[in-house]
Amino acid sequence: GAVVSQHPSRVICKSGTSVKIECRSLDFQATTMFWYRQFPKQSLMLMATSNEGSKATYEQGVEKDKFLINHASLTLSTLTVTSAHPEDSSFYICSARGISGAGTGDNSPLHFGNGTRLTVT
Amino acid sequence: DQQVKQNSPSLSVQEGRISILNCDYTNSMFDYFLWYKKYPAEGPTFLISISSIKDKNEDGRFTVFLNKSAKHLSLHIVPSQPGDSAVYFCAARGGFYDKVIFGPGTSLSVIP
Repeated sequence: GAVVSQHPSRVICKSGTSVKIECRSLDFQATTMFWYRQFPKQSLMLMATSNEGSKATYEQGVEKDKFLINHASLTLSTLTVTSAHPEDSSFYICSARGISGAGTGDNSPLHFGNGTRLTVT
Repeated sequence: DQQVKQNSPSLSVQEGRISILNCDYTNSMFDYFLWYKKYPAEGPTFLISISSIKDKNEDGRFTVFLNKSAKHLSLHIVPSQPGDSAVYFCAARGGFYDKVIFGPGTSLSVIP
């Protein structure tokens, strides 16, 4: 089945630094990737939609200058948390929907990476 | 404003019995609905989905029912097993870019 790889799985950084999270579709090409964050015991909140070759679309309330998204190829999207602060500590999860092969089609489900636990100290 | 609602934060069921998880949505633009299972510190795992043109989809022990007029769907798990214990998220797809919006989740505990 469709596989989405997310890296790193866990990162601890100091306040003020930037952190990059990678999301790769391993066995299909993903035209669209979504980035979510999850606070403890809460739902997955959609942050932004990333389309290959174009600017990301951010949900209301998400700072686009703080959460930089780049979808440089059909298999890779990156989320960079810039000037991280403790309140950015969260679980970030990416998902992908493809154009060919596994994970594609109008009624294909989103396939998720295993998430990145970010802790900002 | 929550577009996808799961009004039961938790549910406890005896092993072998049926688990019924409910979900309501408000946006008529949603055309595809999904259920995911999630463990802590992991990404969600897809379980089953249903298109808005259907009212039932079955896959093994999992059945999803959709009542479009009521904007309500439910996931039935029968028989429930202890390994089913997890948080279940209802999700709905629609709108520009076919965004997928998640409900708040229901924590299911299946008691042996």
